[in-house]
Amino acid sequence: EIGLTQSPGTLSLSPGERATLSCRASQSVSSNYLAWYQQKPGQAPRLLIYGASNRATGIPDRFSGSGSGTDFTLTISRLEPEDFAVYYCQRYGRSNALTFGGGTKVEIK
Amino acid sequence: QLQLQESGPGLVKPSETLSLTCTVSGDSISSPGYYWAWLRQPPGKGLVWIGSIYSSGRTHYNPSLNSRVTISVDTSKNQFSLKMSSVAATDTAIYYCARQHAIPAANYLLNFDYWGQGSLVTVSS
Repeated sequence: EIGLTQSPGTLSLSPGERATLSCRASQSVSSNYLAWYQQKPGQAPRLLIYGASNRATGIPDRFSGSGSGTDFTLTISRLEPEDFAVYYCQRYGRSNALTFGGGTKVEIK
Repeated sequence: QLQLQESGPGLVKPSETLSLTCTVSGDSISSPGYYWAWLRQPPGKGLVWIGSIYSSGRTHYNPSLNSRVTISVDTSKNQFSLKMSSVAATDTAIYYCARQHAIPAANYLLNFDYWGQGSLVTVSS
């Protein structure tokens, strides 16, 4: 099973700042089969990015994904108040590869 | 607009079977290219994929839960269901149903794009 490690665990930033979140896989992720989700308290996760760098429908362009192989990054160019949340990466492909990272909390500094 | 809604008991006794149903509206559960999935999230913790089902009935399960989980589909009602046997306190979680993109011919399960609001299930006597 491919494990996903997200860092940092918590990111303390101010609105308007840039956020850089990391997701590292224990083995190479084929075909860039990696997604990012945002989850706010009391809500279901929301798909942000799929295929490592493709924004989902309706996602603002301040969100971008990059990376390949074992290292992936979610960048929020300028944090808006509604962006403070927990972010998860997810590896997909064969069913034995379906796994989530432990999450990064982006909190207001 | 696609919507998913979980339903079922919020309290289950230890050793009993947890049963949840997800009702899909706004699209057919038989739409090609999609699996229908169950995930869970223990309080304050991360997301865990439980398993997924195609409209044909083909299933894929998380190996760590495989022995206790059964997912079924009822295309006539546009619903799919989860049964988890022999539950324990560690199965207490918010259970989500979701639509999952897939490449069925290759048995590839992809990302989740639509989610239900979640259903809290507590395992306690």
